[in-house]
Amino acid sequence: EDQVTQSPEALRLQEGESSSLNCSYTVSGLRGLFWYRQDPGKGPEFLFTLYSAGEEKEKERLKATLTKKESFLHITAPKPEDSATYLCAASSNTGKLIFGQGTTLQVKP
Amino acid sequence: DGGITQSPKYLFRKEGQNVTLSCEQNLNHDAMYWYRQDPGQGLRLIYYSQIVNDFQKGDIAEGYSVSREKKESFPLTVTSAQKNPTAFYLCASSRPAQGVGTEAFFGQGTRLTVV
Repeated sequence: EDQVTQSPEALRLQEGESSSLNCSYTVSGLRGLFWYRQDPGKGPEFLFTLYSAGEEKEKERLKATLTKKESFLHITAPKPEDSATYLCAASSNTGKLIFGQGTTLQVKP
Repeated sequence: DGGITQSPKYLFRKEGQNVTLSCEQNLNHDAMYWYRQDPGQGLRLIYYSQIVNDFQKGDIAEGYSVSREKKESFPLTVTSAQKNPTAFYLCASSRPAQGVGTEAFFGQGTRLTVV
């Protein structure tokens, strides 16, 4: 069964305190691994796409990496405006796009 | 501007009524998706469609129905058979290329409340 699991469910950081979010996936014929940011009451906003193990993508304070079983979203020196829910999703070879339950990040000044 | 439009933003339904949520995209995307999000939860897949006149059930399709008569439109009907319909509903679209998946773009959601 296709499945995506994220951890931790919630993460509280002080401003400037770096950390990582985990996304474990079991998907038939992975066609892509995606990271999104979601603010309360809004639709998810696309961040990154990863296709193959060893691939990395970076944007400002965020870096996403991919292995054969997991993806990580590294947050370096976060700021309060990085507070949001971060969602991971995997696309299977049947066309399904499956999401994890998300990690809610709170960055305190 | 290209994008995905969901309407209405807020919807109230009486118990026993069917209600239809609208999703329109002008991105020329082939694939469209419907998700349900409950408070503090991730997105659960209701239905998805990779091409016009074809769609597949997701993980929680019971009590929902869809149609895909046009490339631009993928309406979702929440039927009276859905026992707990109060939730935030999100529509998305993507342009899958052969062999790889492409990122999906989301609408701003419809919040459905049963009264």
